[in-house]
Amino acid sequence: AQSVTQLGSHVSVSEGALVLLRCNYSSSVPPYLFWYVQYPNQGLQLLLKYTTGATLVKGINGFEAEFKKSETSFHLTKPSAHMSDAAEYFCAVTPGGYNKLIFGAGTRLAVHP
Amino acid sequence: DVKVTQSSRYLVKRTGEKVFLECVQDMDHENMFWYRQDPGLGLRLIYFSYDVKMKEKGDIPEGYSVSREKKERFSLILESASTNQTSMYLCASSPGLAGAYEQYFGPGTRLTVT
Repeated sequence: AQSVTQLGSHVSVSEGALVLLRCNYSSSVPPYLFWYVQYPNQGLQLLLKYTTGATLVKGINGFEAEFKKSETSFHLTKPSAHMSDAAEYFCAVTPGGYNKLIFGAGTRLAVHP
Repeated sequence: DVKVTQSSRYLVKRTGEKVFLECVQDMDHENMFWYRQDPGLGLRLIYFSYDVKMKEKGDIPEGYSVSREKKERFSLILESASTNQTSMYLCASSPGLAGAYEQYFGPGTRLTVT
């Protein structure tokens, strides 16, 4: 069965610091991987996705993630945090060829001045 | 832009009431989903539908039912609301059957059952 583990339910960084949100997955087939962001009182918005091809994926708002098959990881990074990045972030996986998403528990990112 | 709308942002119901949550998408997507979101648990799939009148159970279907009479509309029904169904409910839609497509989410309905 597929599953997603997000390490750290809360992450706090200073404005301008590196953002690193961790995601590990388990999947019996080559996965499709997603990162979503949820701002307060809103639905989820896609940040980026990995399907096939290049393992370093760039998304919106300066975020990127790297698919590492050997480590079963898909960590999300941003070189320099901005106050507007404060939100909850969800990693999700879907087994190839099927459209159901399995979500991690989420990581709440706080950005301090 | 894909738009997914949900009928209410906030809803307060009493225990035992029948509750309808409505979701509409405007992009002719085949698939529609209902999730509930609880702190520390992420999003859990309640039901999904891959075509009109077709539905499949997700991970936590107990206490819920769904209806999809038209392609653009997917309703979640709580037959007899209970306090443990107090939660945020999110609807989503996506095109096609291949897993490479992302899901588009509505703004959510925060349901409180008293």
